[in-house]
Amino acid sequence: SYELTQPPSVSVSPGQTARITCSADALPKQYAYWYQQKPGQAPVLVIYKDSERPSGIPERFSGSSSGTTVTLTISGVQAEDEADYYCQSADSSGTYREVVFGGGTKLTVL
Amino acid sequence: EVQLVESGGGLVKPGGSLRLSCAASGFTFSSYSMNWVRQAPGKGLEWVSSISSSSSYIYYADSVKGRFTISRDNAKNSLYLQMNSLRAEDTAVYYCAREARTGDYFDYWGQGTLVTVSS
Repeated sequence: SYELTQPPSVSVSPGQTARITCSADALPKQYAYWYQQKPGQAPVLVIYKDSERPSGIPERFSGSSSGTTVTLTISGVQAEDEADYYCQSADSSGTYREVVFGGGTKLTVL
Repeated sequence: EVQLVESGGGLVKPGGSLRLSCAASGFTFSSYSMNWVRQAPGKGLEWVSSISSSSSYIYYADSVKGRFTISRDNAKNSLYLQMNSLRAEDTAVYYCAREARTGDYFDYWGQGTLVTVSS
């Protein structure tokens, strides 16, 4: 079993860059995925396989990985980006599967 | 357009049972693994269970193992979650989520159904 640790909150002004980190406490590191969730709505995938962006997700969303830490970067933050962001990873091998979410980070656009 | 529509949530007493359903459309349901993910009020996301496309592989979170049963009916494009011995801590919005073909992540989610366990 492993955990993904995110900061509870991040605040930025419109137009600035927001960076949300997600740290794993154990190896081996698997790919990380990021979801955006606005109040009362279902999560939406914004980054997969550490740094890939699904179609329809704005280019200002990007992901990166270094060691056991992955980072979601939102460049030129807009008011509509205010939401909760969750990282996710998974460990699977035959009869075993564990899917883990980070605790979530509330992004506030000042 | 991919659509996932959950139903079956509601108020149930501790120790009771409930069966959730997820109706899928807009894609070849039988080709995808499916999952249930829940979110307690004001809390984060928690994976609950996974089922492979042909039901050959089924997995559960430790928190629900032995109490919940995931199943699917590919002929009806439907996913199910039978929840028994419900506890107050099972209170949450339950989401049905499609697993991507290219990795261990969820590319489409339903809008969720609320399960409240309370006396």
